[in-house]
Amino acid sequence: DQQVKQNSPSLSVQEGRISILNCDYTNSMFDYFLWYKKYPAEGPTFLISISSIKDKNEDGRFTVFLNKSAKHLSLHIVPSQPGDSAVYFCAASPRLTGGGNKLTFGTGTQLKVEL
Amino acid sequence: DAMVIQNPRYQVTQFGKPVTLSCSQTLNHNVMYWYQQKSSQAPKLLFHYYDKDFNNEADTPDNFQSRRPNTSFCFLDIRSPGLGDAAMYLCATSRELGSTDTQYFGPGTRLTVL
Repeated sequence: DQQVKQNSPSLSVQEGRISILNCDYTNSMFDYFLWYKKYPAEGPTFLISISSIKDKNEDGRFTVFLNKSAKHLSLHIVPSQPGDSAVYFCAASPRLTGGGNKLTFGTGTQLKVEL
Repeated sequence: DAMVIQNPRYQVTQFGKPVTLSCSQTLNHNVMYWYQQKSSQAPKLLFHYYDKDFNNEADTPDNFQSRRPNTSFCFLDIRSPGLGDAAMYLCATSRELGSTDTQYFGPGTRLTVL
């Protein structure tokens, strides 16, 4: 059973427009959420995160929104640039005390930013 | 200035022939992780080391073993690879085990089983 779901395998957006990537989760124990970005032939790199005590976190062009009641988070990229074209993974971590930094990943969304 | 290095990048092995994948890190992090990512699927945690303490995920097959001889290196041993073990294997590190400690990933090793 997939505890973190990214239902859109791909998304195409024009340069300069907003990209919105969505993620849903089912496990109520998750309390920390992350987005990773992956270029071909490279490992995933950390992009932005949010803890469950917040509903929004912003870092430059990237904003993550968390809706705990809906168990939904989204990543907004504004404005989108061609260099943003990559696979974006949503990940979640549970509320643990010394139990480990265990990430559960979604299957990823391939974002393509077109000129 | 690669921080998490995985060798080789591509590995081909035969069905049932043991294979070892290597990961090294220059970050001096306490925690090292191994993930398996099959085609079009999410990366899945196999196990992690906190220093020398090994932690296996409950559903990781016995066919997968790991060694961490020192802080910098961690190995993934697949004792008898099956066709279903063909995947990308990702190594990651984090400074500590806290849920907010960022995990840094290597580029992965793509394993092909013939």
